[in-house]
Formats: sequence, structure tokens, C-alpha cells
Amino acid sequence: AQSVTQPDIHITVSEGASLELRCNYSYGATPYLFWYVQSPGQGLQLLLKYFSGDTLVQGIKGFEAEFKRSQSSFNLRKPSVHWSDAAEYFCAASGGYNKLIFGAGTRLAVHP
Amino acid sequence: DVKVTQSSRYLVKRTGEKVFLECVQDMDHENMFWYRQDPGLGLRLIYFSYDVKMKEKGDIPEGYSVSREKKERFSLILESASTNQTSMYLCASSPMTPRDLYLTDTQYFGPGTRLTVL
Repeated sequence: AQSVTQPDIHITVSEGASLELRCNYSYGATPYLFWYVQSPGQGLQLLLKYFSGDTLVQGIKGFEAEFKRSQSSFNLRKPSVHWSDAAEYFCAASGGYNKLIFGAGTRLAVHP
Repeated sequence: DVKVTQSSRYLVKRTGEKVFLECVQDMDHENMFWYRQDPGLGLRLIYFSYDVKMKEKGDIPEGYSVSREKKERFSLILESASTNQTSMYLCASSPMTPRDLYLTDTQYFGPGTRLTVL
């Protein structure tokens, strides 16, 4: 069955440190891949998406993600985290017929 | 700018009540979705609609129904609310794509409705 795994439930980083959030997918072919962010009490906002082409994708708020087919991964990165980045992050993969399959989410805390 | 609105941010209902959650999008999108979000489980699809009066079950449709009488509006109905339906409910919309097995366009989300059933 198709699935998306985010191995880290909680991550804490210091402000200014680099960040990497992991995402692995299980799929029969290369899916379309997405990262969303959810601030407290808010809906989900799209950070970036990968459909095809260059495997390094740039998104909003200084985030980027790299698609690695051999590892079935789509990890999210940011070189320097800001306190406002504290939120929950969801990785998602296309599940066919416009459906998205979401990971369980990673909650990011940022220490000053 | 893309906008999806949901009728309530917070809702408290009693067991057995009929509950309506409304979602409106102003982007002329064909597809609309209802998810529920629970800690540790991520988002799970309840129902989606790819056209007016059309609907398809998602992964957890039991206990829910939907209605789409107009393109911009998608309603989620809890016929008889139960305590295990206490959750955050998120609505989303996306533009039409060919119904290809692997094709999925970006979904745009509303702010969510936190429903508590007592």
C-alpha cells in the first residue's frame, strides 16, 4: 500500500541552526511530492512541491527539498532556522485521482 | 490570492446531534476534499468531490456524508455525532487535472474547524 513516513515526531533545534526533516515514501512509481507547514491553529500552507525535473526543489520561506529516488526520500532542509519556523510539517505524496497521502507530521520547536 | 474558508473555527456539539461543516472556495476549483486531523495520525481523507453533485469515499467515510450542490461549496455532515468524531476537520480544494493515476495537483487548505462532541 502507498504510504508516507516521517520518522521524527518531534525535533528541537536552536535558532540559527540548520534543519533537516525526513520523509520517505512507499509507492509503485515516482509520485508527486509535497511539503506543507501548519502553524498553530491554522490550516496547511504549501512550502514546495516536486513533480519532475531538477531533484532539488526551492520553496517559500527559505526551504528546499531534495528528491532521492534511490532512497525513496524527499527530505526538507533549511540552512538557518528562525523562531517563526516553529510549526508542524507534513510530507505528502500523490495517491492517484487527486488524492494526497500524508505523513503523520513532524513538530518543530525552535530554541532561542 | 487563493482562499478556502470554513464556516466555524470551533464547534461544540452533543452526542447524537446532526452536524454540518461548511467549506467555500473562491478559486473555481473542481476538486474539493474533507480531511480529519488527529495527533500522530496526520491527515486522513474522509470524502472528496471532483464535480458538482459528485462524490467519492476517502479512507475513513464511515459516520460521515457530504453534499456539493454548487461548485464553490462542499459540506461535511455528521448524521449523528459521536465522541470519537472529536477532531480537527480540514477542507481543501485543487484545480482539475486529468484523472490520471499518478497526477495530483496542489491542494489549498482552509483554516480548519475544531469540533468537540460531548
